[in-house]
Amino acid sequence: ETGVTQSPTHLIKTRGQQVTLRCSSQSGHNTVSWYQQALGQGPQFIFQYYREEENGRGNFPPRFSGLQFPNYSSELNVNALELDDSALYLCASSLRTRGTDTQYFGPGTRLTVL
Amino acid sequence: DAKTTQPTSMDCAEGRAANLPCNHSTISGNEYVYWYRQIHSQGPQYIIHGLKNNETNEMASLIITEDRKSSTLILPHATLRDTAVYYCIVSGGGNAGNMLTFGGGTRLMVKP
Repeated sequence: ETGVTQSPTHLIKTRGQQVTLRCSSQSGHNTVSWYQQALGQGPQFIFQYYREEENGRGNFPPRFSGLQFPNYSSELNVNALELDDSALYLCASSLRTRGTDTQYFGPGTRLTVL
Repeated sequence: DAKTTQPTSMDCAEGRAANLPCNHSTISGNEYVYWYRQIHSQGPQYIIHGLKNNETNEMASLIITEDRKSSTLILPHATLRDTAVYYCIVSGGGNAGNMLTFGGGTRLMVKP
């Protein structure tokens, strides 16, 4: 157990809808990263938040947005859902220190877009 | 693109050591080598990481070559529960946005 939790576990939406996924970081961690994992592929980096500000973004369109709250929990919002957004969405929390920070993943949210 | 190269799949007999290789010839001086594994449909599990020296923890050992261009993850006594996809990732170095770039990984099958 990493102490990182995500909700909901599974979600079904239709094309064009909007979705919000939630992540609770491990206690003491100040950084959260979000990843998308399509079936049969490795996770792809969406973005990272550090102290409530976006701190790096992968190759995802603006309809993917996020928030990090003062308690370091986080949300991933996806607008105008497309069929290709069906995937496992993973969040990972870490403690930013000098050198590097090790990311610990939650169990993921499985999103299905019909 | 991932900065690492791994074999697509490997088999290992239960109870034997599993040695998973990884090439990272373009690694920068301040980048770390991370290993994660992912059991079907679960979140990736952190295993170990290192910079230059060999590392060992309760899960595995990490052997990094002196030139840092390759490494090997060693599971000393593989069990059936070690069957998973293993990802070798180069990342870090203290820069902002320490993102993890996952490649295809190695699918390790531990057989009885």
